Amino acid sequence: AQKVTQAQTEISVVEKEDVTLDCVYETRDTTYYLFWYKQPPSGELVFLIRRNSFDEQNEISGRYSWNFQKSTSSFNFTITASQVVDSAVYFCALSLTGGGNKLTFGTGTQLKVEL
Amino acid sequence: NAGVTQTPKFRILKIGQSMTLQCTQDMNHNYMYWYRQDPGMGLKLIYYSVGAGITDKGEVPNGYNVSRSTTEDFPLRLELAAPSQTSVYFCASSYPMEPQHFGDGTRLSIL
Repeated sequence: AQKVTQAQTEISVVEKEDVTLDCVYETRDTTYYLFWYKQPPSGELVFLIRRNSFDEQNEISGRYSWNFQKSTSSFNFTITASQVVDSAVYFCALSLTGGGNKLTFGTGTQLKVEL
Repeated sequence: NAGVTQTPKFRILKIGQSMTLQCTQDMNHNYMYWYRQDPGMGLKLIYYSVGAGITDKGEVPNGYNVSRSTTEDFPLRLELAAPSQTSVYFCASSYPMEPQHFGDGTRLSIL
């Protein structure tokens, strides 16, 4: 069975600080996908990024960057120069490449960015 | 393009009542899913479908039923509602091996 752990329940930062959200996963499969989703206070789920298990290249998109390390089974998410609009719950998730691509979610990290 | 549409957005049920949560998607996605999100928790899979006429159980299927008679629709049925089913329910859809698109959720309270 798959498992995703987000040990940080809640993080509070001041605007313009950098913040890293941790994600550790467990799976015995060698092919899988990792995801980050954002859930703002309005409640919808917004897809941010997907990585496959064969691609360990780090990725940067604007103020967002992702660090995927298979050696430590981690897929961490960094927000640079955080803004109040980044306040949300962030979920890390994993799916296998077969069996319906079902998502296994972590419990989420609540990020609060204050002025 | 509406994406994934869930109705209703909010509902209060009495213990023992039944209801159907509706989900429809207009992206011609093969795969559809139902998740529930309890306070402070991540989402847990209830049921999923890889195509019309095919459904399978997820992690927490007890107390729920689904059907998939068309590509577009994937209703979730609650029989004999219980307080433990108070939750926010999300429907999602995707192509195989593509990211899932989520609806806005249905907030269900059972009193």
